[in-house]
Amino acid sequence: DGGITQSPKYLFRKEGQNVTLSCEQNLNHDAMYWYRQDPGQGLRLIYYSQIVNDFQKGDIAEGYSVSREKKESFPLTVTSAQKNPTAFYLCASSRKDSPNEKLFFGSGTQLSVL
Amino acid sequence: DAKTTQPNSMESNEEEPVHLPCNHSTISGTDYIHWYRQLPSQGPEYVIHGLTSNVNNRMASLAIAEDRKSSTLILHRATLRDAAVYYCILCDQTGANNLFFGTGTRLTVIP
Repeated sequence: DGGITQSPKYLFRKEGQNVTLSCEQNLNHDAMYWYRQDPGQGLRLIYYSQIVNDFQKGDIAEGYSVSREKKESFPLTVTSAQKNPTAFYLCASSRKDSPNEKLFFGSGTQLSVL
Repeated sequence: DAKTTQPNSMESNEEEPVHLPCNHSTISGTDYIHWYRQLPSQGPEYVIHGLTSNVNNRMASLAIAEDRKSSTLILHRATLRDAAVYYCILCDQTGANNLFFGTGTRLTVIP
């Protein structure tokens, strides 16, 4: 089945620790995105990538980093500089970064701080 | 970001039609109107999108006002599975990287 896979489903971070969230897609999509969702709120864009080996900051990129070395993979690292990392993280992809394309979302990773 | 306005919550009886409204008075001529829905603890799911003409798919219909300042998502027969938060979003020519997900409308379906 084609789709977008996020792992792990739940993740715990200790103070001062970096953690990496995985996002893989087998849809052959060029564009990939990372969003953060806080309880009762909408989604906010962290980073996005329109093509492999390229990515841009979204609205709330501070304390996060990404890489796009392969078309199918777009991992997100939550660094120790992110002081409030507890949130639901969502990865998405689209065929290309166009207003006439729909987004496909993964099932999310819930990150909590110990 | 072009913004949309939606009611915080709505209720519908099961097997009845549901009309979810969305106002977007600042829409520009090239903005697409997208709808997504999200169940608790899951990622959003695409529902439908359009530019000027009304659109239909297996999930829903999208009715767009002639002046494009508002639109309505129509679920023809609500089921319990349709209970979710529905987001109405404008997407401009910069692409999906500029989508603004507000707090949406929480739809409750009453058995």
